[in-house]
Amino acid sequence: DTGVSQDPRHKITKRGQNVTFRCDPISEHNRLYWYRQTLGQGPEFLTYFQNEAQLEKSRLLSDRFSAERPKGSFSTLEIQRTEQGDSAMYLCASSLKGGGTSGSSYEQYFGPGTRLTVT
Amino acid sequence: AQSVTQLDSHVSVSEGTPVLLRCNYSSSYSPSLFWYVQHPNKGLQLLLKYTSAATLVKGINGFEAEFKKSETSFHLTKPSAHMSDAAEYFCVVSYGGATNKLIFGTGTLLAVQP
Repeated sequence: DTGVSQDPRHKITKRGQNVTFRCDPISEHNRLYWYRQTLGQGPEFLTYFQNEAQLEKSRLLSDRFSAERPKGSFSTLEIQRTEQGDSAMYLCASSLKGGGTSGSSYEQYFGPGTRLTVT
Repeated sequence: AQSVTQLDSHVSVSEGTPVLLRCNYSSSYSPSLFWYVQHPNKGLQLLLKYTSAATLVKGINGFEAEFKKSETSFHLTKPSAHMSDAAEYFCVVSYGGATNKLIFGTGTLLAVQP
């Protein structure tokens, strides 16, 4: 396994169109996260899954956004009726679930991201 | 609110000179702290992490960071900069919990001059 992969790497779409991104996590990782990074800012948390269950969503995730992780493997992030403000890098990360102070339980591995441009 | 502050948006050093990238975190309770690096057109890579063990943490590529609870700081250092270190660096905090989501600083862009 070579790490977290994301597809596509770049997407240009017109305002109002729907787009879908895919993330394939490291195979043994049961946690999957989505983050969004706008120009000049650090990534911001959007949502996360533990196996197939979506357990938390940020207030940044409007009703136009939906994420799924069927069967607890890959995940998709769909944006409906895109707006120019949706232009950003969408990052996916995966990790193992754990607790306590074990460093490995907190380590998230990131994919290369999908850069979305809405014109 | 949980947050992390990177004190410099841009740092420029000459090759072979020391690097210091500064980071302060808000102190609700004991966090886990990380430094990630992002090279152009590449994914975020973990440099090092602090999770309440040794306060001086050594990472990859010669980087290290020291956790100072009294100063709520976690500054990143390297004794001698290399051209390949030019990238954006993010200080990141996690307070654990059920989500274990990461909270990123705004980043510091490191330039290395020949």
